Formats: sequence, C-alpha cells, structure tokens
Amino acid sequence: EDKVVQSPLSLVVHEGDTVTLNCSYEVTNFRSLLWYKQEKKAPTFLFMLTSSGIEKKSGRLSSILDKKELFSILNITATQTGDSAIYLCAVQDPGTYKYIFGTGTRLKVLA
Amino acid sequence: GAVVSQHPSWVICKSGTSVKIECRSLDFQATTMFWYRQFPKQSLMLMATSNEGSKATYEQGVEKDKFLINHASLTLSTLTVTSAHPEDSSFYICSARRGLAGKATQYFGPGTRLLVL
Repeated sequence: EDKVVQSPLSLVVHEGDTVTLNCSYEVTNFRSLLWYKQEKKAPTFLFMLTSSGIEKKSGRLSSILDKKELFSILNITATQTGDSAIYLCAVQDPGTYKYIFGTGTRLKVLA
Repeated sequence: GAVVSQHPSWVICKSGTSVKIECRSLDFQATTMFWYRQFPKQSLMLMATSNEGSKATYEQGVEKDKFLINHASLTLSTLTVTSAHPEDSSFYICSARRGLAGKATQYFGPGTRLLVL
C-alpha cells in the first residue's frame, strides 16, 4: 500500500528559529513530490520536486528530494508567526496523476 | 496563477437531505479534477478522480452511490452528497489538474465546509 509519512506531527517554535520538516514515502510509482501549506482553507502550493539532490528555494523556504532514500525535507529559516500552518507533503502517481498526501506537520510559531 | 473556485463555501443541512458542491476552474480547462475530504486535524484523503465526459474513479471505501460526481464540462465538476448524515460533516476540497503530463500540477479550490445536523 502506498504511504507518505511526515514528521514531526506537530511542532512549536519561537520566531527566528529554523525548522526542518520531514516527508518519507513508499509508493509503487513516483512522478513528483509536492509541498503545500494549509492555513484555514485549501492548501497553497509551495514546491514540486522531481529530481534528486536539486534544492528548490523560495525566500526563507527551501526543499530537497532524495529519491534513493525516498524522502524530502522542507526547511524554513528565520520563522515568523505567519508561517504557522499545516505543511502537507504529497507524492504524485505518474499514471493517474493522483496525489497521496502525508499526515501533515502542524507548525506553530510563537512571537 | 490558476484559479479554482468552489461553491458554496459553507453549508449546513438537515440529516437526509442532499447537498451539491460545485468546483470550477476559472481560467483554464481541466479534463481531470479531484475531490478530497479532510476531517479535523487530519490530512486530505482522496475520494475520487473526476474525468470530463466519463465516469468518476472512486477510491477504495468511498461509496459511489452516496457521493455522486459529475464532470459535465471542462471547467466544472460537481459532488453531490446524497442523503447526508452527521458523519458526512467534513471539509470537502476539490482540485483541478493543469498542465501537460510530467509537469501537471493540481490547483486547489478554497474548500466547502459541510455540517449535517
């Protein structure tokens, strides 16, 4: 059975801290891995990763994929209260384009 | 970026009634849309894949007669929760696939909160 697992489940940090969120996967077929941020409504897209070892960066957020070890990390540096959200990782099946979502990591950044 | 809308945003209904939720891709055509359900403090669970002009593909454990999906045009998919019960109360989110194979991305709607009394 295809599985995407994120850790930690929940995290509380102070503003300015750096956090690393983990996503590991076991899937039959892999096309890409995606990271989303979900606040009160639907998820918003952060990154899509298809190649191993290439870091994607957007401001204080960055992500990298390791296809050999089947995991990805999302880094957030100099965290702000606005980073508080659930961060979701999803793996895309190449045949059906379906996403398999991970359990999510709930991040809370304290002022 | 691509825009996907859902209607309604919120719905409260009595047990036994049917509720229809619309998902529209506003600035692109989507041959494939997806319907997810999210319970509080849980992740998104895929319910079904909606294909324009053909029957939806349901995930294991999702009752197709209870959750009717119609994808009548390239910009609209509807999910009807038939004879809704309190356990159907959830956050329903749709997404629309945009882009060519290999670079396709899903764009999510804002979600619909359903509360069945």
